[in-house]
Amino acid sequence: AQSVTQLGSHVSVSEGALVLLRCNYSSSVPPYLFWYVQYPNQGLQLLLKYTSAATLVKGINGFEAEFKKSETSFHLTKPSAHMSDAAEYFCAVSKTGNQFYFGTGTSLTVIP
Amino acid sequence: DTAVSQTPKYLVTQMGNDKSIKCEQNLGHDTMYWYKQDSKKFLKIMFSYNNKELIINETVPNRFSPKSPDKAHLNLHINSLELGDSAVYFCASSLGLSSSYNEQFFGPGTRLTVL
Repeated sequence: AQSVTQLGSHVSVSEGALVLLRCNYSSSVPPYLFWYVQYPNQGLQLLLKYTSAATLVKGINGFEAEFKKSETSFHLTKPSAHMSDAAEYFCAVSKTGNQFYFGTGTSLTVIP
Repeated sequence: DTAVSQTPKYLVTQMGNDKSIKCEQNLGHDTMYWYKQDSKKFLKIMFSYNNKELIINETVPNRFSPKSPDKAHLNLHINSLELGDSAVYFCASSLGLSSSYNEQFFGPGTRLTVL
């Protein structure tokens, strides 16, 4: 069975500070991993995805994530938070082409 | 051009009514999905269709019935609406079963409020 765990349902950072959102997965085989962002009253938008080509994945808006098999993690980072980064962030895993498992989400607050 | 569109965006109705939400994608994808997002932002998969064929049917009350007239459309019909059905419903699509790492594209959501 596959699943993802997002540690911390709420994360607050100051503007300009490092953003770190945690995601751990459980999978019997190397999975495909995704980070999505949901801005208020909008649908989910893909930030980045891991497809086994490279362990460090760069996404949109300055975000990146590193796949660490030994730690079964795929944490999302951004060096410097902007006010516009305030949103809900979801980690997701997929093994097949049709079934995706989403984490419970992390709400990011950016303090001016 | 909107890739995945849903109508209506807001839906307010009384308990016991029947309502439908429509979804269309213009991406040429084979697979479409319905998700329910509750007030705590938790996303739950409800259904998935691949080329008009149902492939995922999670534990959802049979008051919910998806219909896919063609692979670009996946509609959700809900009978006898209950208070607990209040949520945001998202439609999504992806390339399909041929690729494991293709992402899902989400619609803007339909906020359903049952009074």
